[in-house]
Amino acid sequence: GAVVSQHPSWVICKSGTSVKIECRSLDFQATTMFWYRQFPKQSLMLMATSNEGSKATYEQGVEKDKFLINHASLTLSTLTVTSAHPEDSSFYICSARDFAEYTGELFFGEGSRLTVL
Amino acid sequence: GQNIDQPTEMTATEGAIVQINCTYQTSGFNGLFWYQQHAGEAPTFLSYNVLDGLEEKGRFSSFLSRSKGYSYLLLKELQMKDSASYLCAVSSGGYQKVTFGTGTKLQVIP
Repeated sequence: GAVVSQHPSWVICKSGTSVKIECRSLDFQATTMFWYRQFPKQSLMLMATSNEGSKATYEQGVEKDKFLINHASLTLSTLTVTSAHPEDSSFYICSARDFAEYTGELFFGEGSRLTVL
Repeated sequence: GQNIDQPTEMTATEGAIVQINCTYQTSGFNGLFWYQQHAGEAPTFLSYNVLDGLEEKGRFSSFLSRSKGYSYLLLKELQMKDSASYLCAVSSGGYQKVTFGTGTKLQVIP
């Protein structure tokens, strides 16, 4: 089956710094990738839809200048948390759909746990 | 906007059958997913329903009624390892974005 790889798995940073998270589709081309955020004991909250070669589409309430998304190729999307603060600490997870698969299944990366000190 | 609702928690006995319901309201509906998620891990795919009816896959079955905005996940012969969160998610719109419900935490007891 299709594989989505996310890096880094864990990151700890100081308040005010920026952190970049990469999401790669390893064996299929993903014109669209999705970025989610998950707080403890809560479900996944869609942050934005990342579109290859164009601007990302952000969900209501998500600051696009805070969470920069770049989807420069069919296999790579990046999420940069700019000027991170402790309240940005969360589990960030990317996903991509492989429409070549019958189900159009949504495949997830391993997730990135961000801790801002 | 979208509204996807599931019960917050459920408890069931090992070997039994449990049904987890999901109701949704959305425009541009494409399909409905069910995912399983263990704490601290990424979700794993269980099922995807596009058309009305029941899809069976081993111990897991998923049902969809598009006219009612309703789906359920049926788990048979429950095992302890089935204790996890079960997430209902709806695909909608031109980019077929996938939005998740609140999730149901299932606890299987001996």
